[in-house]
Amino acid sequence: DAMVIQNPRYQVTQFGKPVTLSCSQTLNHNVMYWYQQKSSQAPKLLFHYYDKDFNNEADTPDNFQSRRPNTSFCFLDIRSPGLGDAAMYLCATSWTGYSNQPQHFGDGTRLSIL
Amino acid sequence: GQQVMQIPQYQHVQEGEDFTTYCNSSTTLSNIQWYKQRPGGHPVFLIQLVKSGEVKKQKRLTFQFGEAKKNSSLHITATQTTDVGTYFCAGRRTGTASKLTFGTGTRLQVTL
Repeated sequence: DAMVIQNPRYQVTQFGKPVTLSCSQTLNHNVMYWYQQKSSQAPKLLFHYYDKDFNNEADTPDNFQSRRPNTSFCFLDIRSPGLGDAAMYLCATSWTGYSNQPQHFGDGTRLSIL
Repeated sequence: GQQVMQIPQYQHVQEGEDFTTYCNSSTTLSNIQWYKQRPGGHPVFLIQLVKSGEVKKQKRLTFQFGEAKKNSSLHITATQTTDVGTYFCAGRRTGTASKLTFGTGTRLQVTL
């Protein structure tokens, strides 16, 4: 089945140690999103790619970066994770960037910081 | 900025009871989407409403979009334990290219 796949499901890293989360999709969607979701909160958009065009949210910390080497893959890099970055990170895709398109989410990566 | 609030934040019902969550935006929306997130899971798209006053049904779920396109509701008739999860609305402000903004969510717990 076509889907959005995130690896790993659980990631533990040390305070200040760079970490990369990955997302792949077989839907051939143009747009890929990264959300941060903390416990009992709504998903918070960090940034998204429309094809190769990167769109950062104004309040996304510089500590968070993203790469999209091709249509299928997108990465979230956290350069120096702090305790406050512990959260579920969700990748999502949509056919276009217009908000009338449903977003398809992966299972997420739960990041813990030691 | 745009704010999308949902009430209640949490509701606990017995199986068979009805449930409603309300979604209110500070700005007019071009459309509203609803997602369900099971505990430990990811958001799953349920439905989209576009027209003012629109009503859509999916089995026991009824979705409404307000006449002013600033609010929406999701009503579940005769809840089942499989309805457990958090329900999020998400919308985009009319006339902008801004992102989809998720509501604060309503967590539904259903017990036998």
